[in-house]
Amino acid sequence: NAGVTQTPKFRVLKTGQSMTLLCAQDMNHEYMYWYRQDPGMGLRLIHYSVGEGTTAKGEVPDGYNVSRLKKQNFLLGLESAAPSQTSVYFCASSLLRAESEAFFGQGTRLTVV
Amino acid sequence: QQPVQSPQAVILREGEDAVINCSSSKALYSVHWYRQKHGEAPVFLMILLKGGEQKGHEKISASFNEKKQQSSLYLTASQLSYSGTYFCAHGGGGADGLTFGKGTHLIIQP
Repeated sequence: NAGVTQTPKFRVLKTGQSMTLLCAQDMNHEYMYWYRQDPGMGLRLIHYSVGEGTTAKGEVPDGYNVSRLKKQNFLLGLESAAPSQTSVYFCASSLLRAESEAFFGQGTRLTVV
Repeated sequence: QQPVQSPQAVILREGEDAVINCSSSKALYSVHWYRQKHGEAPVFLMILLKGGEQKGHEKISASFNEKKQQSSLYLTASQLSYSGTYFCAHGGGGADGLTFGKGTHLIIQP
């Protein structure tokens, strides 16, 4: 059982470049989330989705876009990368909203130079 | 707003007990606890729900004071494997994901 899988695991971008991070889950979860983790800041919610075809903004959405065309996939896009977006990105999914555990992917370490 | 965790860091000897506290300024529906080891993803430990229901780990316990909007995680007879960063997170009952605290670094020494 793979759980939550993120692609890629590492990436280096130049300022202004674009990229898409892919998150896939095989647990049939409705809820999916993208977080970023920076030293000393904990995890901060970027965007989330409550089901196929839906997306919503979290705490730090600026500079990011998301799509959930299929229930099992949640994509995070950076249209024009900035050094401030250097971070570790985690995708997570859960069966229920805040009442059930969140399962996390292994993370994507992104460096913008 | 992020929940506030204390202490920020703690160093223990193997076998000692630890308490990590978490407080929030908003009304809580649930409190979650996760542990993260360096370079790895956060791993679920415990959920405490409004109304008293608790789901989670067999060797770690927690409390949830709804009126004070506080939670505490209790690690008894700590083992070397307990080392890591512990995060509390709160859920407001809506669909807006979890809001995480900044974490408590726990180091267990032999």
